[in-house]
Amino acid sequence: DTAVSQTPKYLVTQMGNDKSIKCEQNLGHDTMYWYKQDSKKFLKIMFSYNNKELIINETVPNRFSPKSPDKAHLNLHINSLELGDSAVYFCASSRPGQGNTEAFFGQGTRLTVV
Amino acid sequence: DAKTTQPNSMESNEEEPVHLPCNHSTISGTDYIHWYRQLPSQGPEYVIHGLTSNVNNRMASLAIAEDRKSSTLILHRATLRDAAVYYCILYYSSNTGKLIFGQGTTLQVKP
Repeated sequence: DTAVSQTPKYLVTQMGNDKSIKCEQNLGHDTMYWYKQDSKKFLKIMFSYNNKELIINETVPNRFSPKSPDKAHLNLHINSLELGDSAVYFCASSRPGQGNTEAFFGQGTRLTVV
Repeated sequence: DAKTTQPNSMESNEEEPVHLPCNHSTISGTDYIHWYRQLPSQGPEYVIHGLTSNVNNRMASLAIAEDRKSSTLILHRATLRDAAVYYCILYYSSNTGKLIFGQGTTLQVKP
């Protein structure tokens, strides 16, 4: 069983469209995250949810809206897609609050906006 | 946020040990030192972490300087599969779980 799974793996769409990426974790973690890796390979956190509550929002445009229906799922909805949104998006989960905990990442969703 | 400094890239020969350095001179007493790696076309994966003492696990060893201002990730016998970007990250014990990734070290392993 994959610990953190996200779908789809690849997403090609036109500018202006609205799209969603889904993420699920079966590790029983309370906290889930979305990270973005741009074309220069820099990985940066976008959002974090703890028990369905938003706890981190790293100045991401409000076209990006995370939604957590329960603590095992954190979906990312993007409105009015722009060329600059093209990137690889990674979902992750962990049990923070203790420095010795590790995060688990999904395989990534490569979003290409044309 | 305390920062880490790593070399951009390193090379190693297969089956030889690899020592990946990391400087973190502004580390605070509650910061853990975490290492993650990202294999090509995959998500980051946890490698090892430590606080003050050296640590070993099945993937690697972590050597932490006595003053904690630097650390070294040791791969005892590099394989081709170890070619990846290795990230050294300071993780606060009471934070939200946010990981701050730097540029990392791109490790090439030559057969």
